[in-house]
Amino acid sequence: AQTVTQSQPEMSVQEAETVTLSCTYDTSESDYYLFWYKQPPSRQMILVIRQEAYKQQNATENRFSVNFQKAAKSFSLKISDSQLGDAAMYFCAYRANYGGSQGNLIFGKGTKLSVKP
Amino acid sequence: ETGVTQTPRHLVMGMTNKKSLKCEQHLGHNAMYWYKQSAKKPLELMFVYNFKEQTENNSVPSRFSPECPNSSHLFLHLHTLQPEDSALYLCASSQATQETQYFGPGTRLLVL
Repeated sequence: AQTVTQSQPEMSVQEAETVTLSCTYDTSESDYYLFWYKQPPSRQMILVIRQEAYKQQNATENRFSVNFQKAAKSFSLKISDSQLGDAAMYFCAYRANYGGSQGNLIFGKGTKLSVKP
Repeated sequence: ETGVTQTPRHLVMGMTNKKSLKCEQHLGHNAMYWYKQSAKKPLELMFVYNFKEQTENNSVPSRFSPECPNSSHLFLHLHTLQPEDSALYLCASSQATQETQYFGPGTRLLVL
């Protein structure tokens, strides 16, 4: 069974600094997607970034980028120039790209990010 | 309204009550999902609907009953719930089951 592990329950970063959130996953599949979702105190889960496993190039969305290491099954999120609005719970998620359960997102437990002014 | 909406945002109910959660998506998607988010636990997928047909029931107790009358609306009917069912219930939708999911704001449920 696939699993997603976020080993950092909480992280803190100074405003304008860079922070990296860790995520590892376990799967025997080769074709899948990985996601980072952000859940601010308002509770709306927002997609931050996604990575397709067959793409070697790391995904980037403005200040957010990932370090995808497929062999190591690692998918970390780097937030550059951190802003107060980045404070939230961050969830790493995995989804197989085929099969009967292809729609099923598997989430990690989340990392609570605090941003200090 | 745009995106995925959920009503009510907050709900308090007794164990003998019957209530329903509503989700509506304005994105033209064909797949809809119910998730349960409890404290200290990962999000748990409950149900998946694709083109109004249920394609996944993740061993959810029968006191939770989903309904999908069309691709834009998804309900979760609740009856004789237990206090441990208190959680945030999130709805999501996607164009197809293999596409990116977009979430609603959730319903915070408290069962007394």
